[in-house]
Amino acid sequence: GAVVSQHPSRVICKSGTSVKIECRSLDFQATTMFWYRQFPKQSLMLMATSNEGSKATYEQGVEKDKFLINHASLTLSTLTVTSAHPEDSSFYICSARNLRSPQETQYFGPGTRLLVL
Amino acid sequence: SQKIEQNSEALNIQEGKTATLTCNYTNYSPAYLQWYRQDPGRGPVFLLLIRENEKEKRKERLKVTFDTTLKQSLFHITASQPADSATYLCALPRGYNQGGKLIFGQGTELSVKP
Repeated sequence: GAVVSQHPSRVICKSGTSVKIECRSLDFQATTMFWYRQFPKQSLMLMATSNEGSKATYEQGVEKDKFLINHASLTLSTLTVTSAHPEDSSFYICSARNLRSPQETQYFGPGTRLLVL
Repeated sequence: SQKIEQNSEALNIQEGKTATLTCNYTNYSPAYLQWYRQDPGRGPVFLLLIRENEKEKRKERLKVTFDTTLKQSLFHITASQPADSATYLCALPRGYNQGGKLIFGQGTELSVKP
């Protein structure tokens, strides 16, 4: 099956620093990747949609200058949390859509746990 | 906007019994509905998709029903095992022509005791 990886799996950083999270589709090409955030005991909330070669589209309430997304190739999207603060601590999950699969199919990464001190 | 409700209370059942989880939605009928499994500290894993014109779908010990009149999906795990313990999420497309964007329920935690 299609595999999506994320790196790092967990990261601890100081307040004010920036953190980059990578999302890779390992064995397929992903024209679209989605970035979600999940707080403890809560639902996954879509943050942004990343399309290869174009600007990401952000959901209402998500600051595009704070959460920078780059989708430079068909297998890699990155999310950079700039000037991170403790309230950004969360579980960040990406998913990817396979070019050849139906639109409703998404493959999720294992997630990245971010803790901002 | 579409809202999804899943049983927020954890479900505790005995091994071998059937677990039944509920997903209710409030607004328009989606073209499809999906169920995922999520283990602690991990991303969701896709289990089943059911389309609006399907009443029921099965995969091994899993069964999903979709009632567009009641705006409800039921997810059943028969002959449950301790390894089935996890949080189960239902997800719907956010709307028509939304490019595959999904909205998720908050999930129901299932615990299967030996």
